[in-house]
Amino acid sequence: GENVEQHPSTLSVQEGDSAVIKCTYSDSASNYFPWYKQELGKRPQLIIDIRSNVGEKKDQRIAVTLNKTAKHFSLHITETQPEDSAVYFCAATYSGNTPLVFGKGTRLSVIA
Amino acid sequence: GAVVSQHPSRVICKSGTSVKIECRSLDFQATTMFWYRQFPKQSLMLMATSNEGSKATYEQGVEKDKFLINHASLTLSTLTVTSAHPEDSSFYICSARVQESGNQPQHFGDGTRLSIL
Repeated sequence: GENVEQHPSTLSVQEGDSAVIKCTYSDSASNYFPWYKQELGKRPQLIIDIRSNVGEKKDQRIAVTLNKTAKHFSLHITETQPEDSAVYFCAATYSGNTPLVFGKGTRLSVIA
Repeated sequence: GAVVSQHPSRVICKSGTSVKIECRSLDFQATTMFWYRQFPKQSLMLMATSNEGSKATYEQGVEKDKFLINHASLTLSTLTVTSAHPEDSSFYICSARVQESGNQPQHFGDGTRLSIL
């Protein structure tokens, strides 16, 4: 089955700096890669996703890149703000009624 | 947008009690829902895939007789933790996809924090 590795487990950045979180996956059949933000005690919220026919996607300060050959994808947050502080999870799956396989999460702290 | 409703949000009960958690898709139908468990400071771990009208598919290591799943309609799946013990204390969260085919996002319920005394 699919296995998703996520790094780093914790990340501290100064407000205004960029943050990068990286994930690798093992199953070449996976073709959908969402990123979730989870605040303490709350549900994960989808912040951006990318499909395997696209190499990069951007939404304001958030961007995701995908390298299918290397089987890795990354989340980039620019101009970080204190409210970006949360745990971020990457995930992978393939189409159909298949569940998401999550990475172990990255705790991002943005220091004002 | 797609909304998944989960309740109760918080349960505190004595050891040996059975607890039922409901997951509803409010504005869409979902033949498949997923149940996850999340321990403090850990990732979401898939417990089972709930299939409408048929048996759930459980992940390795998850006891199907302890975690009963019923998906009787296209908008409701329930997870019952039977004879709960303190080690079952965790954050339980369900999710569902709007469409069964294609790569549509999964939407999560608000989760249920279960505390067994």
